[in-house]
Amino acid sequence: QQQVKQSPQSLIVQKGGISIINCAYENTAFDYFPWYQQFPGKGPALLIAIRPDVSEKKEGRFTISFNKSAKQFSLHIMDSQPGDSATYFCAASESTGSARQLTFGSGTQLTVLP
Amino acid sequence: DAGITQSPRHKVTETGTPVTLRCHQTENHRYMYWYRQDPGHGLRLIHYSYGVKDTDKGEVSDGYSVSRSKTEDFLLTLESATSSQTSVYFCAIWAVNYGYTFGSGTRLTVV
Repeated sequence: QQQVKQSPQSLIVQKGGISIINCAYENTAFDYFPWYQQFPGKGPALLIAIRPDVSEKKEGRFTISFNKSAKQFSLHIMDSQPGDSATYFCAASESTGSARQLTFGSGTQLTVLP
Repeated sequence: DAGITQSPRHKVTETGTPVTLRCHQTENHRYMYWYRQDPGHGLRLIHYSYGVKDTDKGEVSDGYSVSRSKTEDFLLTLESATSSQTSVYFCAIWAVNYGYTFGSGTRLTVV
């Protein structure tokens, strides 16, 4: 049972373009939605995160858009650069007792062409 | 990596042998997690711990056990490794101020 669905699986963008990755979730108890960036041979690193009380969060060239009614959220990378080439994972979390467990999407491999 | 060290970084083992992966943290975090990463599946939770000797199962716990006898160490054991357990394993910690932080991973190959 995949609770967080991510698309597309791969994405190729020209330098300077906009990269858009989409995720949809099912569990309405999720209350924290982070995005992770992963380079080959490294662990995922937190990129940006949002909570469902806001519809958008921007940090530099990275923006999360959140649609609570549609149960969807997306990552926009403006002015994409070759250094942004990596695998991106969306995730969702709910607080279970005192622990917090992340449910991940399947990942998007982004390639930014120079 | 917020003081998270995974060992070994790479391991090749034979089917049926026991394997233990170690996660060590230096910042006294309460919550620790083991995930596995496979193509097309993202990362899936195996087990997690919310304190010394306090652990619970995740989504894909079958064939795995964990132990946490000290705050800083969280061990993942494959009692009898199978080829389906070939994967990259990540340890993570959770802290309120900065969420999840992952280690660099252990690449395990079961032949």
